[in-house]
Amino acid sequence: GENVEQHPSTLSVQEGDSAVIKCTYSDSASNYFPWYKQELGKRPQLIIDIRSNVGEKKDQRIAVTLNKTAKHFSLHITETQPEDSAVYFCAASFFSGTYKYIFGTGTRLKVLA
Amino acid sequence: GAVVSQHPSWVICKSGTSVKIECRSLDFQATTMFWYRQFPKKSLMLMATSNEGSKATYEQGVEKDKFLINHASLTLSTLTVTSAHPEDSSFYICTPLEEQFFGPGTRLTVL
Repeated sequence: GENVEQHPSTLSVQEGDSAVIKCTYSDSASNYFPWYKQELGKRPQLIIDIRSNVGEKKDQRIAVTLNKTAKHFSLHITETQPEDSAVYFCAASFFSGTYKYIFGTGTRLKVLA
Repeated sequence: GAVVSQHPSWVICKSGTSVKIECRSLDFQATTMFWYRQFPKKSLMLMATSNEGSKATYEQGVEKDKFLINHASLTLSTLTVTSAHPEDSSFYICTPLEEQFFGPGTRLTVL
């Protein structure tokens, strides 16, 4: 079935260290993988995305890698700052009659000053 | 960037009443709108996909008679929670297929 698993559920890092969040998806036909950041009480905000025709994408301190063979993708945040503290969700596209996005369970990231 | 608005931002209602949530695309035409529900400290769960001019597609386990979705125009999709109960209290968010941008969400509290 359509499933996205995300690990870890919580992650604490010291300011300046790197953070890595991993997701796996079930459908090899999935071709779009966005990552969202959600601060308390606010809507999720897209921070980076990757399509299945590339293996890596970087935007300043944030990067995403995709391994289509293993069906997993990861978010990497370098030089973490306290304002990076939030809940991060991965998502994957699925098509079963309709095109949709299924979300992972979320990772609560705490950056300790 | 694309702008999506939702109305109301929050609503408190009595059990048994119906609540309509509007999702508008302000600067583009949305042929397809996704409706998600998010319980506190949980992930976003896809409820249904609305398509302009046709019936919505509901995810497994979502009661279509309870959560009425209408997508009458390319700029407006609505979700009506009928006969709301406390367990329907949640954060409801819409997002268009064309843009990876969520509406601001509607926080529903049913007493």
